[in-house]
Amino acid sequence: EAQVTQNPRYLITVTGKKLTVTCSQNMNHEYMSWYRQDPGLGLRQIYYSMNVEVTDKGDVPEGYKVSRKEKRNFPLILESPSPNQTSLYFCASSVHWDSPLHFGNGTRLTVT
Amino acid sequence: DAKTTQPPSMDCAEGRAANLPCNHSTISGNEYVYWYRQIHSQGPQYIIHGLKNNETNEMASLIITEDRKSSTLILPHATLRDTAVYYCIVRVRGGTSYGKLTFGQGTILTVHP
Repeated sequence: EAQVTQNPRYLITVTGKKLTVTCSQNMNHEYMSWYRQDPGLGLRQIYYSMNVEVTDKGDVPEGYKVSRKEKRNFPLILESPSPNQTSLYFCASSVHWDSPLHFGNGTRLTVT
Repeated sequence: DAKTTQPPSMDCAEGRAANLPCNHSTISGNEYVYWYRQIHSQGPQYIIHGLKNNETNEMASLIITEDRKSSTLILPHATLRDTAVYYCIVRVRGGTSYGKLTFGQGTILTVHP
């Protein structure tokens, strides 16, 4: 089944403890991106990747890192999480950067 | 990408058509209109997109005005499962603009029995 898989679905962590949220797609999509969703602020793009080894900042990249070493995976790294990064995170992919997006089921992160 | 404006909320009776408007008055000639929806806290789901012609698929119809400054997403026979937040986005296709994408606040559509 074609899908975008995020792990974990839920994560509670403490301030400063490095974490990685994984995102994998099995559709050979070139484009992948990360979003965070907060009440009243809608979906905001964190980072995106046009293809392997090509990444760029979205609207809210501060405090996050990404990598795209292979086409199927696009992990989101929080080197030193802070409480203001508590949010619902979505990964998405598409055939090309201007094609319809396929979203994962989300990761709900709580940083205490 | 052009900015979009949508009403914050709308209601619709089950079985009736739901017409969701979107204003994109600054849209340029090579920008497409995309619609997504998000049910509860699930990942957003692609619905439809178009450039200037009206489009229809199994989920919905998209009507774009002749001047392209606004569009309407039509769900012909709304069901309770269509209750969701609907996002209208405009994106450039081609050219030198790349993968940045901005979602607005969307319209909360509530379908009631």
